[in-house]
Amino acid sequence: ELKVEQNPLFLSMQEGKNYTIYCNYSTTSDRLYWYRQDPGKSLESLFVLLSNGAVKQEGRLMASLDTKARLSTLHITAAVHDLSATYFCAVDIGPRGFGNEKLTFGTGTRLTIIP
Amino acid sequence: SAVISQKPSRDICQRGTSLTIQCQVDSQVTMMFWYRQQPGQSLTLIATANQGSEATYESGFVIDKFPISRPNLTFSTLTVSNMSPEDSSIYLCSVEHYRGYNEQFFGPGTRLTVL
Repeated sequence: ELKVEQNPLFLSMQEGKNYTIYCNYSTTSDRLYWYRQDPGKSLESLFVLLSNGAVKQEGRLMASLDTKARLSTLHITAAVHDLSATYFCAVDIGPRGFGNEKLTFGTGTRLTIIP
Repeated sequence: SAVISQKPSRDICQRGTSLTIQCQVDSQVTMMFWYRQQPGQSLTLIATANQGSEATYESGFVIDKFPISRPNLTFSTLTVSNMSPEDSSIYLCSVEHYRGYNEQFFGPGTRLTVL
């Protein structure tokens, strides 16, 4: 059974600081997704990582994937209050190709940015 | 990305009753998914709904408890049957878009409370 673990589960950080959220998974996959969820809201797609060594950046967020280590990271640079949310990674273990997607979500990291 | 709506957005139900949740997409999609998010938890896949075929359920979820319909390429329903307080959760539908890679987009969710 695939396990997807994130750490930390809770993160409180000051504005302007840098931090990294880790996503470890237990089986082979080269497709990993990051989502953001605001309180009471649905999930917003942030990044799609599709190969070993993939790196994507959007604003103050940067995600990377190391398939050999079965590890993805979400790095936050110079945090601002607007980044407060819960962040989920999700691993796709379905066969490649249309109609095969099967996501297993991580435990989530609740991030609070303190002014 | 697709625009996805769900009805109802929230409901409070009595134990032993059933609730049907609707998911409408603004474009035709082959794959639709239903997830459950228990309070403060991550997302768990309930089933995958392909138009024209029976839904495929994940381990721990059965058709008698969570019957799903998928009558066309833009619509699906999930029924939560014979509810108990343990069914109190957010139920989310999602759709898969394939653009050389799979990506899921989520509806706003239905927040269900069972008394």
